[in-house]
Amino acid sequence: DTAVSQTPKYLVTQMGNDKSIKCEQNLGHDTMYWYKQDSKKFLKIMFSYNNKELIINETVPNRFSPKSPDKAHLNLHINSLELGDSAVYFCASSQEFSSTYEQYFGPGTRLTVT
Amino acid sequence: SQKIEQNSEALNIQEGKTATLTCNYTNYSPAYLQWYRQDPGRGPVFLLLIRENEKEKRKERLKVTFDTTLKQSLFHITASQPADSATYLCALPPGAGSYQLTFGKGTKLSVIP
Repeated sequence: DTAVSQTPKYLVTQMGNDKSIKCEQNLGHDTMYWYKQDSKKFLKIMFSYNNKELIINETVPNRFSPKSPDKAHLNLHINSLELGDSAVYFCASSQEFSSTYEQYFGPGTRLTVT
Repeated sequence: SQKIEQNSEALNIQEGKTATLTCNYTNYSPAYLQWYRQDPGRGPVFLLLIRENEKEKRKERLKVTFDTTLKQSLFHITASQPADSATYLCALPPGAGSYQLTFGKGTKLSVIP
């Protein structure tokens, strides 16, 4: 009965490759997010989706492309991976698109680019 | 844009004592603020939300205060236990009308038996 799940848990790949991370939530939430947590532990918002539609795209390179096939899923595709993309990526969801609602986070995907 | 400062990167306290963590913010004063706990290798877990008119909120051994004049929130854990060891993050909207959250860098709390 995992609330927010992500796959894979670990991803090791070489520079220049393309990879995807999948996220699913079974909470019936309308809003989903992608966050990046770098080596300094800062958790930074990348994208916010509400009802399958992109609401906010922070200053993220366009090599990163989120896709939401339905409200329960938000995948992240990354093209031409760079060393600086190495980080832990967290998917999260909230009941609605409002900062008054708590966010539920997935377990994270540790991406290592070599 | 909003800056969030959490008092120290690491805080060590003795078991049974009260841990007090600080979250200071600049600029915009939000109407509410959230606290999360993050364990190593895991995603953050929501703990408490406090609104500007609440001043104080409690949940079991946790207590959060919110002082909009000082632009500060304090997070207390009473009768701390080694199991409370984790990183604690505060989060608030980055600006007026914003629907998303900006997270602080967190304070790593270690409760020593």
